[in-house]
Amino acid sequence: KAGVTQTPRYLIKTRGQQVTLSCSPISGHRSVSWYQQTPGQGLQFLFEYFSETQRNKGNFPGRFSGRQFSNSRSEMNVSTLELGDSALYLCASSLDAGEYGYTFGSGTRLTVV
Amino acid sequence: TQLLEQSPQFLSIQEGENLTVYCNSSSVFSSLQWYRQEPGEGPVLLVTVVTGGEVKKLKRLTFQFGDARKDSSLHITAAQPGDTGLYLCNAGNNRKLIWGLGTSLAVNP
Repeated sequence: KAGVTQTPRYLIKTRGQQVTLSCSPISGHRSVSWYQQTPGQGLQFLFEYFSETQRNKGNFPGRFSGRQFSNSRSEMNVSTLELGDSALYLCASSLDAGEYGYTFGSGTRLTVV
Repeated sequence: TQLLEQSPQFLSIQEGENLTVYCNSSSVFSSLQWYRQEPGEGPVLLVTVVTGGEVKKLKRLTFQFGDARKDSSLHITAAQPGDTGLYLCNAGNNRKLIWGLGTSLAVNP
C-alpha cells in the first residue's frame, strides 16, 4: 500500500512569507501528526489531527496552524516565516495516536532566507 | 516533565562490531517504539514493545523493554554500514508521546 506522501520535498522561502505543506496519510489512517525536526532540538510535536479535529497541540506559536480534510489529508501552514523556522517538517500517520507506531513521510525541507 | 534520555549521543564503530544504545526515563510508559532515520528522510519504525521485560528480535537487532517499563535498549550484532543512521526512541501514555534526541550511529566499512 502507498506510504505517507508529503509535498513539496524542498522549499525555499523568504522571511515574512507564508507556506503551506501537504500530507497524504496511509489509506485508512485517520490520525495525522506533524513534527518539526532540527539538529539541536530533535523532533518537536506540532499538532495531531484525528477525523478533521485537532486532538493535541504542541508548544508552538499561533503562526503554525493545520487542518485535516474529510479524506484524512492534512495541511500545515506557517505564516510570517522566520529564519528559525528552517527545518525538516515531518508528517506521520497512524491508526490511533501513535502509541503503537507511526508511519512517517519523507518530510519537507523548508529553508527560510 | 517527562524526558527520554538516549545514550550515547554519538557512536562511530567498525563494521562487524557489536553495540548497545539506551533509552531511559524516570516515567513508566505503556508502550515504547524504536525508529531509524537516514539523512533527509523520515524515521522508519523498527519495533514496538509494550510488556515489561519483553525482548524482540529483528534480524541482527535485539530490543528489550525494561521490567518496570521505564527504559529500553537496542543491541546490534555484527554492525554493517547499512545500520548507519539516527536511532530514535519514542514512548507514551494516554496519547501523550515523547521523543528522545536520538543516537547517531556511524558504521565504517
